[in-house]
Amino acid sequence: DQQVKQNSPSLSVQEGRISILNCDYTNSMFDYFLWYKKYPAEGPTFLISISSIKDKNEDGRFTVFLNKSAKHLSLHIVPSQPGDSAVYFCAASANSNSGYALNFGKGTSLLVTP
Amino acid sequence: GAGVSQSPSNKVTEKGKDVELRCDPISGHTALYWYRQSLGQGLEFLIYFQGNSAPDKSGLPSDRFSAERTGGSVSTLTIQRTQQEDSAVYLCASSLMGSTNTEAFFGQGTRLTVV
Repeated sequence: DQQVKQNSPSLSVQEGRISILNCDYTNSMFDYFLWYKKYPAEGPTFLISISSIKDKNEDGRFTVFLNKSAKHLSLHIVPSQPGDSAVYFCAASANSNSGYALNFGKGTSLLVTP
Repeated sequence: GAGVSQSPSNKVTEKGKDVELRCDPISGHTALYWYRQSLGQGLEFLIYFQGNSAPDKSGLPSDRFSAERTGGSVSTLTIQRTQQEDSAVYLCASSLMGSTNTEAFFGQGTRLTVV
């Protein structure tokens, strides 16, 4: 049962424009959300996170927005750069028997074209 | 190194053989996770270790899968009698515990191919 959903498998954006990656979740117990970036043949790397007590977190070109009532979060990248081309995974966690095990979406492949 | 290290990076095995995958977490990280990513899928949780507590094995897909963590550090994921559907990238991650601000740091993964 997929508790974290990324409904867009791919996204193409022109360099300099904004990239918006979306994520939906079903488990209301999730209280911490993260975005990971993955290049081919590498493990995912942490990008940005947000606690459920906030609705926005910004770090340079990256901003994550959280809408708890809609169980939706999004990652904004502005301006997009070709080096941002990668697969982006949305993840969510809640304290459970699995500690803070991360529940991942299937990822969105972002392509930033020059 | 300072990051999570996994070995081997690639493994090709014949159906029915056993395989062992190794993970060296970041020093001082008490939590260790195994995930796998099958083709076109997200990361699937397999097992979680926290310190000396009994591991949470709720994500293991069958009894052919097992994992150990010796001395609270290195972990080995063992797959017995491998099947073709076991082919995936197996990822290990470690993190500090005791906080909700949990960032898991991943290794580069082991790509397992069962032929």
